[in-house]
Amino acid sequence: AQRVTQPEKLLSVFKGAPVELKCNYSYSGSPELFWYVQYSRQRLQLLLRHISRESIKGFTADLNKGETSFHLKKPFAQEEDSAMYYCALIDSNYQLIWGAGTKLIIKP
Amino acid sequence: DAGVIQSPRHEVTEMGQEVTLRCKPISGHDYLFWYRQTMMRGLELLIYFNNNVPIDDSGMPEDRFSAKMPNASFSTLKIQPSEPRDSAVYFCASSLQGPRQYFGPGTRLTVL
Repeated sequence: AQRVTQPEKLLSVFKGAPVELKCNYSYSGSPELFWYVQYSRQRLQLLLRHISRESIKGFTADLNKGETSFHLKKPFAQEEDSAMYYCALIDSNYQLIWGAGTKLIIKP
Repeated sequence: DAGVIQSPRHEVTEMGQEVTLRCKPISGHDYLFWYRQTMMRGLELLIYFNNNVPIDDSGMPEDRFSAKMPNASFSTLKIQPSEPRDSAVYFCASSLQGPRQYFGPGTRLTVL
């Protein structure tokens, strides 16, 4: 079954500390994975996708097919990173399969 | 383009009332998605359309929920009758034959 799992509902770290938001997936084909972010009182927006191999706002995510993971990382958290983060997988019908989301709180 | 437009932004209603949420996708996009977001369940896909045709409505929770897309620039999600457990933020998103979905600002629904 196709599934995206974000094991942490809430993650709280201090400003300047490293951040890792976990995402594991289950998919029979070759996955295409995304991270979406929703800041307070803003709409959900795409943060990054694995095929772009880019770094957005200091965040990176590497697809690890062996571990079926796509963890989101940032070496030094900033207060403005506080938001809701969703990991998603797209299937062959261009339908996104979502993780439950992780609320990231950056403490000053 | 103004992006995906949803209305109303906030809706407060009483249990048993009919609720209609509206969405205008980005012009030219051929996919439209309705999602529900709650703290307990995160983001759930309710239904999606391709070229105005419903493709997958398996996420629609109950018969009380229905969605239509009468033309390429408008879709509605209706709940009748509404219940307190329907309280959530409902998002509409659109895309153009690809993985990148553009989300609307959402409608926060409160059913008392």
